[in-house]
Amino acid sequence: DTPLTQSPPSLSASVGDTVNMTCRASQSVNIYLNWYQQKPGKSPKVLISATSILQSGVPSRFSGSGLGTDFTLTISGLQPEDFATYYCQQTYSLSSFGPGTKVEIK
Amino acid sequence: QVQLVEAGGGVVQPGTSLRLSCAASGFDFSSSAMHWVRQAPGKGLEWVAVISYDASDKYLADSVKGRFTISRDDSKNTLYLQMNNLRPDDTAVYFCARENYSGSGSRGPPKYFDHWGQGTLVTVSS
Repeated sequence: DTPLTQSPPSLSASVGDTVNMTCRASQSVNIYLNWYQQKPGKSPKVLISATSILQSGVPSRFSGSGLGTDFTLTISGLQPEDFATYYCQQTYSLSSFGPGTKVEIK
Repeated sequence: QVQLVEAGGGVVQPGTSLRLSCAASGFDFSSSAMHWVRQAPGKGLEWVAVISYDASDKYLADSVKGRFTISRDDSKNTLYLQMNNLRPDDTAVYFCARENYSGSGSRGPPKYFDHWGQGTLVTVSS
């Protein structure tokens, strides 16, 4: 079992802001870290796989970085459709998800 | 296009059983590992189970081990989750998801879940 923590649990931001959120693993997950976006009542959508690979169709304002135990998701120039909850996931050892970061409108 | 459709959810009493299904279409189901992920009301995502493409490997989260079973029927392009001895804390929306992978890494190609169903709600309550 590889628990993940995410911070902050929530953040308030304005359209156009750059936001960063972090994911920390209890042990190294190498680059096996993915990011998902989930809107209320919807299924999660993968944004980034393998720490930094932007998935097809995902806007380039999303980016990911990190290695080992510490990872960051950055949204450069927040758009109205980006207000959602973001989850990190490790697939280094089976799978587990972080508790999420909710991005709210300021 | 890829489609995953879950079914089988409902309201059940503690201690009873339920079988969820996930009908897949639009891709070669028999070549894909598949997962179940659940989300309790107002809570985050919890990984539940995985089955390899050929059903030779199956793994379950500790929270459901010994009570849940994952299986697949490639002739029907369908994934299943058999849930026995259900508890109130199993109440959640259950999603099926397709595993994909790309790139390279020390533990093989990094995996991620590229397609998800809409989910089916399981409520365990007396």
